[in-house]
Amino acid sequence: SYELTQPPSVSVSPGQTASITCSGDKLGNKYVCWYQQKAGQSPVLVIYQDTKRPSGIPERFSGSNSGNTATLTISGTQVMDEADYYCQAWDSSSVIFGGGTKLTVL
Amino acid sequence: QVQLVQSGAEVKKPGASVKVSCNAFGYTFSGNYIHWVRQAPGQGLEWMGLINPNRGGANFAERFQGRVTMTWDTSISIAFMELNRLKTDDTAVYYCAREVDSGGYGRWFDPWGQGTLVTVSS
Repeated sequence: SYELTQPPSVSVSPGQTASITCSGDKLGNKYVCWYQQKAGQSPVLVIYQDTKRPSGIPERFSGSNSGNTATLTISGTQVMDEADYYCQAWDSSSVIFGGGTKLTVL
Repeated sequence: QVQLVQSGAEVKKPGASVKVSCNAFGYTFSGNYIHWVRQAPGQGLEWMGLINPNRGGANFAERFQGRVTMTWDTSISIAFMELNRLKTDDTAVYYCAREVDSGGYGRWFDPWGQGTLVTVSS
């Protein structure tokens, strides 16, 4: 079965750039989206179609996808960005989530 | 404003069943698939399956087949997920989410419901 692999945790200082990776076989051939989940809240879409931001998502969030790796980049990370982040793709007719990455901003 | 509102928390005993509802507001219910995703305490997101309110039919993740039923009522814009033969490790927050389909250019979930905590304990 298809798997998406994320690092369990990433740490970044406020104002710096955070990069969260999501790896899968030929992932660049699929569309990837990313969700942000703050403690005690439902997931929120932050990137879709590999690179696009929904309305209301700050410009500091960006995405890329090539080869076997998709990357969520947060430029000028703010304390409010501290959350769990999940990548998601489709394999055949099933939805696949990455295991999630806890982003710590300190 | 598109919104999904789920039913309240449930406590069940092992072997019982639970039925969670998801009420959709702000869009034409039959126009989008609805998915169900669960999250065990401290764990990641796990996809359970989807319904197609327009043409009918459902598709389940393999590990839930035979134990989950997903239904809906288009007339009142509501979807249901029923999980049978509950086990303690079914304790989780259950989410519904609306799928957005770009017609060949990816599919994603937006928005998600607020989640329903199901606790399975003897």
